Amino acid sequence: QSALTQPRSVSGSPGQSVIISCTGTSSDVGGYDYVSWVQQHPGKAPKLMIYDVYKRPSGVPDRFSGSKSGNTASLTISGLRTDDEADYYCGSHAGSHVVFGGGTTLTVL
Amino acid sequence: DVQLVESGGDFVKPGRSLRLSCAVSGFTVSSAWMHWVRQAPGKGLEWVGRIKRRSNGGTTDFAAPVKGRFTISIDDSENTFYLHMGSLKPEDTAMYYCTSDYGWGQGTLVTVSS
Repeated sequence: QSALTQPRSVSGSPGQSVIISCTGTSSDVGGYDYVSWVQQHPGKAPKLMIYDVYKRPSGVPDRFSGSKSGNTASLTISGLRTDDEADYYCGSHAGSHVVFGGGTTLTVL
Repeated sequence: DVQLVESGGDFVKPGRSLRLSCAVSGFTVSSAWMHWVRQAPGKGLEWVGRIKRRSNGGTTDFAAPVKGRFTISIDDSENTFYLHMGSLKPEDTAMYYCTSDYGWGQGTLVTVSS
C-alpha cells in the first residue's frame, strides 16, 4: 500500500485538461513544499515533470503545472496530447524519508 | 545539460554485495539532495535512500527495507553518487534510478536470484 493516494486512472481527449490528485497527510504532502511528479512511458525511465510543488525543470512544457492545497497535491496537464499518455507518480518529502503514490495511468482518448 | 547515468547493475546471488554508480554532469552532486529510487518489475516507484546536500549536513537516510544493508556515498572528484548494497535479497530485484531535483537517470537493473 502506497503512502500517497492517487487515482488509478484518468482520461481525457486531445486538447482537454486533466487533473491528477495526490493525497497524503500533514506528515508529508501537507507538511512540506517538496512534492514532485514524474511521467513514465511504458518501458522507459521516469522523467521529472514538476518538483517543489510547482517548479518545472528546463524543457518541460508549461502545459504541465503543479499545485498543492492542504494535504493534496495536484498535477494539471492542459492541451492534452497523445504522447502525454503515460503513468504519473507523485512523491513527497516526509521528514526522514520520501514517499510515493501508487501511480496514475493517463489515457488520452 | 543535466545528465545522470547509472551503472553497476548485475545478476547476483542472495547475500552478495553490489555497488551502483550514478555519474552526474551539469550540476555538482554535493550541492544537491540525491536519491536512489527503485522499481520492481511491473510495480510502482519505491524510495530507497538519499544523501542531503553538503550544506544541509550531507547525512543519509534509508527506507526501512534496506536500512542497515545499504549505504550511500559521493565521490566529489568524480562527481559521482553511489549506492552500496549489501546482504542482497531476492526482493531487492528492481531497476534502480538515481534522482535529484535536476532529473532522473535511465536506470540500472539489479537481479538477485540463486
